[in-house]
Amino acid sequence: ETGVTQTPRHLVMGMTNKKSLKCEQHLGHNAMYWYKQSAKKPLELMFVYSLEERVENNSVPSRFSPECPNSSHLFLHLHTLQPEDSALYLCASQRDYRDGGDTQYFGPGTRLTVL
Amino acid sequence: RKEVEQDPGPFNVPEGATVAFNCTYSNSASQSFFWYRQDCRKEPKLLMSVYSSGNEDGRFTAQLNRASQYISLLIRDSKLSDSATYLCVVNKPPKDTGRRALTFGSGTRLQVQP
Repeated sequence: ETGVTQTPRHLVMGMTNKKSLKCEQHLGHNAMYWYKQSAKKPLELMFVYSLEERVENNSVPSRFSPECPNSSHLFLHLHTLQPEDSALYLCASQRDYRDGGDTQYFGPGTRLTVL
Repeated sequence: RKEVEQDPGPFNVPEGATVAFNCTYSNSASQSFFWYRQDCRKEPKLLMSVYSSGNEDGRFTAQLNRASQYISLLIRDSKLSDSATYLCVVNKPPKDTGRRALTFGSGTRLQVQP
């Protein structure tokens, strides 16, 4: 297994709900990522955290709010989502590139449906 | 122009066939290259890194042509279990501080048939 876990695996929520996605990595990595994968589209990078600092926010709407309390955990807080936000949300981790990190390892993803 | 471009397929091949996927990338300063495999409704998993000298892992051979900004993956003796989407992935150069993550192609779907 990859050593990256995500919960929940499936989530159905209404547009007025607030929910959070959780990612945990057990690989000793220090960079973590959120990606969105919609049907028939390539993975879209959302956020990058390196050494617990957000180093990239890829023009993601404010209804998505990331949180990285430590190098092993990453959250994605969701509120007032739209149906078009329904997608597979993937978390990944790697060693920071300054430490020679190169390869990303993915969690199994959370399949989100917004009604 | 897309940063990473792949033929979406699908490639439908019989068991035992040899199949090749191609990929082009736009940033000539890119330094790291990978092929990932993604099964239906699963996460991407690293298949192999791609080195300038070319590299082989069992039935899989990856090659990089920096001058043409072109990456390839060759699968020999295809198995049913090779059916998946193959993602060409390029890492932005570390000096580009705004992007430290991977850029994924849309993927090429392979279906190996009995």
